[in-house]
Amino acid sequence: GAGVSQTPSNKVTEKGKYVELRCDPISGHTALYWYRQSLGQGPEFLIYFQGTGAADDSGLPNDRFFAVRPEGSVSTLKIQRTERGDSAVYLCASSPAGGKEQYFGPGTRLTVT
Amino acid sequence: AQRVTQPEKLLSVFKGAPVELKCNYSYSGSPELFWYVQYSRQRLQLLLRHISRESIKGFTADLNKGETSFHLKKPFAQEEDSAMYYCALTVGGNEKLTFGTGTRLTIIP
Repeated sequence: GAGVSQTPSNKVTEKGKYVELRCDPISGHTALYWYRQSLGQGPEFLIYFQGTGAADDSGLPNDRFFAVRPEGSVSTLKIQRTERGDSAVYLCASSPAGGKEQYFGPGTRLTVT
Repeated sequence: AQRVTQPEKLLSVFKGAPVELKCNYSYSGSPELFWYVQYSRQRLQLLLRHISRESIKGFTADLNKGETSFHLKKPFAQEEDSAMYYCALTVGGNEKLTFGTGTRLTIIP
């Protein structure tokens, strides 16, 4: 079946603009995760959804970052007033109920100029 | 807070030689440990987890609670093992992964 998909694959935006990154998890997966990976670093946790609700948003760096998953499937990560330090690859992963393995998407490379 | 350390950013090994990728963690309780791998132009994928005690693609990893380590080993490296390897953990039933900084493994033909 289809894996996790993320759109766009690349996004270039100017400092101060608003961006939305989309994640389509594997069908039927109840858990959805967002991570951010800066150059030379491992992925860093941002937020985790179980169904429609955010079960853990402790990794969101500040209130410019927000994520939703209104119908328990697709999720959107929203970043307001982007800064150059937000430039990174944003990874989405999903897992089935009770599953330990996370299935990752290809990532969205965000560049803030 | 929990932390994962991968001391080697780069590791080069000759084909057929043994491979060991180091991973140490800091957490006072009992974490669940994982190795994820990213091959060139592919997405991050699970290689193995300590709970399942499997051997995947010839790799094994043993959780050593005394040394707080979860080193990844393979007796005979193959060229297709060249990739980026990340050690990661979850704690306390919370499924969020904490990753190390990764080790880029290059197998020399």
